[in-house]
Amino acid sequence: NAGVMQNPRHLVRRRGQEARLRCSPMKGHSHVYWYRQLPEEGLKFMVYLQKENIIDESGMPKERFSAEFPKEGPSILRIQQVVRGDSAAYFCASSYRDSSTDTQYFGPGTRLTVL
Amino acid sequence: AQSVTQPDIHITVSEGASLELRCNYSYGATPYLFWYVQSPGQGLQLLLKYFSGDTLVQGIKGFEAEFKRSQSSFNLRKPSVHWSDAAEYFCAVGNNNAGNMLTFGGGTRLMVKP
Repeated sequence: NAGVMQNPRHLVRRRGQEARLRCSPMKGHSHVYWYRQLPEEGLKFMVYLQKENIIDESGMPKERFSAEFPKEGPSILRIQQVVRGDSAAYFCASSYRDSSTDTQYFGPGTRLTVL
Repeated sequence: AQSVTQPDIHITVSEGASLELRCNYSYGATPYLFWYVQSPGQGLQLLLKYFSGDTLVQGIKGFEAEFKRSQSSFNLRKPSVHWSDAAEYFCAVGNNNAGNMLTFGGGTRLMVKP
């Protein structure tokens, strides 16, 4: 059973470009979470999605960031007009059920570098 | 709002020595608590979790953690550290209301001396 997959693993963008990060949850999981890890910091929650629905986006910056989890295909975290401060590792996690006791399994992350 | 504090940013121990990593949380209700480990350039792997019941929780790789409500702590321990344990360790608290977000501490980087 494949784990959570993220691609690309490394992404380099110039200021003003768009970044698209993809996350395929574990098989059978329909709940996806995105977290951001800034250098030398812990992970910060960004958004929680179920298929075709955003459940909680309280951690998402109000501008330039968006996320989706379509009925078919991976979840996408999109960052428009990237700035240097967006440089970070972005981790996706998935869980089977909508329950706080259900383990979140993490992917390897996408490391975004903005030049 | 919930929060997690890991007071030790860096810890160095000798191989074979015992280890304790500290974690303090702030949460209004009964917390759901987790320890994850992150090797360099990798994602996070769950070591153990506490939801209820026995306050001493056993995890993978020989780790255990003890939930102490009176101290708002969930410290991670290992009796004998191996060189392969060198990594960054994160304590997290789960939100048992809708949303399921995890709140992480800042992490403790463990170095192991030969």
